[in-house]
Amino acid sequence: TAGITQAPTSQILAAGRSMTLRCTQDMRHNAMYWYRQDLGLGLRLIHYSNTAGTTGKGEVPDGYSVSRANTDDFPLTLASAVPSQTSVYFCASSDSPTVQPQHFGDGTRLSIL
Amino acid sequence: GENVEQHPSTLSVQEGDSAVIKCTYSDSASNYFPWYKQELGKRPQLIIDIRSNVGEKKDQRIAVTLNKTAKHFSLHITETQPEDSAVYFCAASKNSGGYQKVTFGIGTKLQVIP
Repeated sequence: TAGITQAPTSQILAAGRSMTLRCTQDMRHNAMYWYRQDLGLGLRLIHYSNTAGTTGKGEVPDGYSVSRANTDDFPLTLASAVPSQTSVYFCASSDSPTVQPQHFGDGTRLSIL
Repeated sequence: GENVEQHPSTLSVQEGDSAVIKCTYSDSASNYFPWYKQELGKRPQLIIDIRSNVGEKKDQRIAVTLNKTAKHFSLHITETQPEDSAVYFCAASKNSGGYQKVTFGIGTKLQVIP
């Protein structure tokens, strides 16, 4: 099925370790986003990319980095994980950076111990 | 910045009854308002959206209304069914600094009782 693929689906990670969450879309969407979802806080934007080669910071970018080498892939890296980064991470995409519907992946459940 | 408030946080209705979820936003520059449904352990899925130049939009049993003056918008689900049980998120969106800034509400857990 076309759409957004995230990997892994879940992961347990020791504090201090690094981790890259993968996100791939096959819709040729220009814009991509990473959100974290925490109980009582809803979805919060970590980083975004309007088009291949560009990235920007969202609402909660500290401790995370992203890259956008091509249209399809938008990996999120935690350089040195901390317990407060325990969350469910969703990748999303939209056809353009203007106000458009965003389509979400299935999420990655990450636990930092 | 934008602040989106959503209520109620939980809502239980009998099957066949209507459900209404309300959201308010603070930034008058917001011009796009999507609603997402998220089933347990699944991805958020867009169910309906409305732009600021429209006051109401309907899709089968789902409708959304927008009052720009009061800065509030609502989701209406009629003839509810058990499969409507999920968490619903409202959001307010605008272009900000070259990207689409979307602010989500904290969600409403809807339970439809058979």
